[in-house]
Amino acid sequence: ETGVTQTPRHLVMGMTNKKSLKCEQHLGHNAMYWYKQSAKKPLELMFVYNFKEQTENNSVPSRFSPECPNSSHLFLHLHTLQPEDSALYLCASSQDIPGGAETQYFGPGTRLLVL
Amino acid sequence: GQNIDQPTEMTATEGAIVQINCTYQTSGFNGLFWYQQHAGEAPTFLSYNVLDGLEEKGRFSSFLSRSKGYSYLLLKELQMKDSASYLCAVRDSNYQLIWGAGTKLIIKP
Repeated sequence: ETGVTQTPRHLVMGMTNKKSLKCEQHLGHNAMYWYKQSAKKPLELMFVYNFKEQTENNSVPSRFSPECPNSSHLFLHLHTLQPEDSALYLCASSQDIPGGAETQYFGPGTRLLVL
Repeated sequence: GQNIDQPTEMTATEGAIVQINCTYQTSGFNGLFWYQQHAGEAPTFLSYNVLDGLEEKGRFSSFLSRSKGYSYLLLKELQMKDSASYLCAVRDSNYQLIWGAGTKLIIKP
């Protein structure tokens, strides 16, 4: 596998379910990101992990819970979601350097539908 | 507030040239990115501009004017496979990426 992979690619869940999204990067990067992409809206940054430490949490509801066990893997745990959480969830990675991060590389995303 | 503006949708003809504009108002500037995203797929990196001027990469070119808060992506010799959304993003003074909503480009034969 190369680049950034995400599983599952599609997910349908009820509001009472618990599920997890997985992301893996094979680029040797040290920073990973979760984004939410809704139709005709800009990408919304949810979480940033740098060297496995969470450095950003952009006021994301607690029903979304990230986990980064190492610099290559990132999870997004979901529970008691709302229908408005239906969207494409994108994972990205980059190499953080002094003074800023390099280009972000994205996975194909998980298309989530909450019923 | 911070804002990135780009047209919602554009239509062009196969073989022609199209220019997709992006204007931005951000707190600081540390570079501008263009990404291509086909429906249901990952955004893929196209170009990066941090200095004023034109960067050319094959059929695609990207231009930046920092004084005007303006960039454009120029696509030449359009092909059907260029039908996609094109995302503009600016890195602000905190090195956070601020994203536009994307421009959906439709190529007609």
